[in-house]
Amino acid sequence: GAGVSQSPSNKVTEKGKDVELRCDPISGHTALYWYRQRLGQGLEFLIYFQGNSAPDKSGLPSDRFSAERTGESVSTLTIQRTQQEDSAVYLCASSSGSSGNTIYFGEGSWLTVV
Amino acid sequence: GENVEQHPSTLSVQEGDSAVIKCTYSDSASNYFPWYKQELGKRPQLIIDIRSNVGEKKDQRIAVTLNKTAKHFSLHITETQPEDSAVYFCAASKGSNYKLTFGKGTLLTVNP
Repeated sequence: GAGVSQSPSNKVTEKGKDVELRCDPISGHTALYWYRQRLGQGLEFLIYFQGNSAPDKSGLPSDRFSAERTGESVSTLTIQRTQQEDSAVYLCASSSGSSGNTIYFGEGSWLTVV
Repeated sequence: GENVEQHPSTLSVQEGDSAVIKCTYSDSASNYFPWYKQELGKRPQLIIDIRSNVGEKKDQRIAVTLNKTAKHFSLHITETQPEDSAVYFCAASKGSNYKLTFGKGTLLTVNP
């Protein structure tokens, strides 16, 4: 596609429920990243994929967070047993992974846990 | 791991003035330094980047400088306009196959 696509754009969920956030990277981009941005805050790294493997998952805040990527394309970020502190915008980004590291962000999925 | 510090956290300038945002990084192996602009409610968008083999790069009213010895880099915006108002993030990376580590951002306000 023309850009990084994320869904849903907005999600309101009850505390304790599981949520899945989807990212469709730019076609042909081998590298995919998930970042979290709380309201008015910076960009917090969560996990990085090169192809279907995740060489760096150091930013996942707890074992309630997991992510997978299939077909070197779509990625899903899953948050289990959501807590109010999980409320944030979850930004996906992708890059070609070849020359340099220019990454392009999607519009984000705004998650609100009530 | 890499740590990126960004200053100031807020910056207010008059239209037409220059704005400078500074960042420092900790990992001497970092070799790629992009700057992103994020308008309210929008995605971060790349505005300029620099790699460690150059010391300065310009694109119209925007320039970035890099001092590898001191491990700091700066964003310079000249002849600021109200539409430059946004949050600006610096970042550092060791290149392909590594994550970008971001600074905490600078809220730039350009007053007309």
